[in-house]
Amino acid sequence: EIVLSQSPGTLCLSPGESATLSCRASQSVSSSFLAWYQQKPGQAPRLLIYGASSRATGIPDRFSGSGSGTDFTLTISRLEPEDFAVYYCQHYGYSQGTFGQGTKVEIK
Amino acid sequence: EVQLVESGGGLVQPGGSLRLSCVASGFTFSSNWMTWVRQAPGKGLEWVANIKQDESERYYVDSVKGRFTISRDNAKNSLYLQMNSLRAEDTAVYHCARGGSRFDSWGQGTLVTVSS
Repeated sequence: EIVLSQSPGTLCLSPGESATLSCRASQSVSSSFLAWYQQKPGQAPRLLIYGASSRATGIPDRFSGSGSGTDFTLTISRLEPEDFAVYYCQHYGYSQGTFGQGTKVEIK
Repeated sequence: EVQLVESGGGLVQPGGSLRLSCVASGFTFSSNWMTWVRQAPGKGLEWVANIKQDESERYYVDSVKGRFTISRDNAKNSLYLQMNSLRAEDTAVYHCARGGSRFDSWGQGTLVTVSS
């Protein structure tokens, strides 16, 4: 079973700053099946990044993903007020899906 | 516009059953894998199950194997989750999502509460 560990648990930043979110897998995974989601309170999650680095339709270019093997990163450059939310990484493999526990990005 | 609308949630006693539905519109439902994801109150996301276009493949998280059954009716653009032997730890908002390995559209979810 692959476990995804996200860090930090909470990130306190100001609008205009950059955010770096980490997702570490318990074993090497295929980048093709690594995705990132954003979830705001009371809303369904929204796909941001798939294939570790490809932006989903309509996602601003201030969101970028990188990484391979066991270490993946979501970077949000120039935080906008609407970017304060919880972010989850997700992997699919061996016919099982798994999510990280989430990183909350909150306003400082 | 892609839309996914879940229904069927509610309050059920431990050991009881519930059937969730998800009606899809705005895309060719029969061409897509579909997935159920749940979120316990105040907690993170948990992948529950997925199903191939023709129902020939279905996969489940270990904690629901033997209790939950995912199915679909392509003629009705509908996805289902039959939940039996429900436990307190199944309490969550259940979302249906388009996709098998990544989920590019989500419904708002339906709340299932398992409590006596």
